Amino acid sequence: DAGVIQSPRHEVTEMGQEVTLRCKPISGHDYLFWYRQTMMRGLELLIYFNNNVPIDDSGMPEDRFSAKMPNASFSTLKIQPSEPRDSAVYFCASSLKLFRGTGELFFGEGSRLTVL
Amino acid sequence: DQQVKQNSPSLSVQEGRISILNCDYTNSMFDYFLWYKKYPAEGPTFLISISSIKDKNEDGRFTVFLNKSAKHLSLHIVPSQPGDSAVYFCAASVHNQGGKLIFGQGTELSVKP
Repeated sequence: DAGVIQSPRHEVTEMGQEVTLRCKPISGHDYLFWYRQTMMRGLELLIYFNNNVPIDDSGMPEDRFSAKMPNASFSTLKIQPSEPRDSAVYFCASSLKLFRGTGELFFGEGSRLTVL
Repeated sequence: DQQVKQNSPSLSVQEGRISILNCDYTNSMFDYFLWYKKYPAEGPTFLISISSIKDKNEDGRFTVFLNKSAKHLSLHIVPSQPGDSAVYFCAASVHNQGGKLIFGQGTELSVKP
């Protein structure tokens, strides 16, 4: 079975441009998470969905960030306008259920964003 | 406000020796702790976990220890192998916060032959 699929793997853009990151979770997984990895803060949870509904977006840095999940097999994270401080690796992860005892989130390979 | 902290950005260990990775947390409500391993250009993968009702969990060469009074957990790898070289993330959760994971900054482990 295919894992979590993210695109693009790498994105280089200029400040002020719109960036859209995409994610296809593992089929049948009910939960989808967007994380951002930076050296200073490690992996930060931005937002997560349950059955396509956003549950907790308290980690979204500011209004420039938005996320959608129009169906069970697709999610997007959009940054508009992008800024250099948004440069990071963005991970999407999915799970069958919110873990209690199994602890497994399945992560994609990440999208490395560079904003010049 | 970093609720989960890994204060050592890197660790270098000789093959065959023990690797000890440390993690501290501030939220006493955390009731489940996990370690994830990440190779370059890959996403993190689950390694081992421990519930707050236990103080030790072992899986092969990997053992996680939890000291609730000190709000500290550690991951022991014995014996260390070159293939263990990766970034290790500590994570924690509170069940009534929807189970979302709070991660630390990560520690890069290098195991030298």
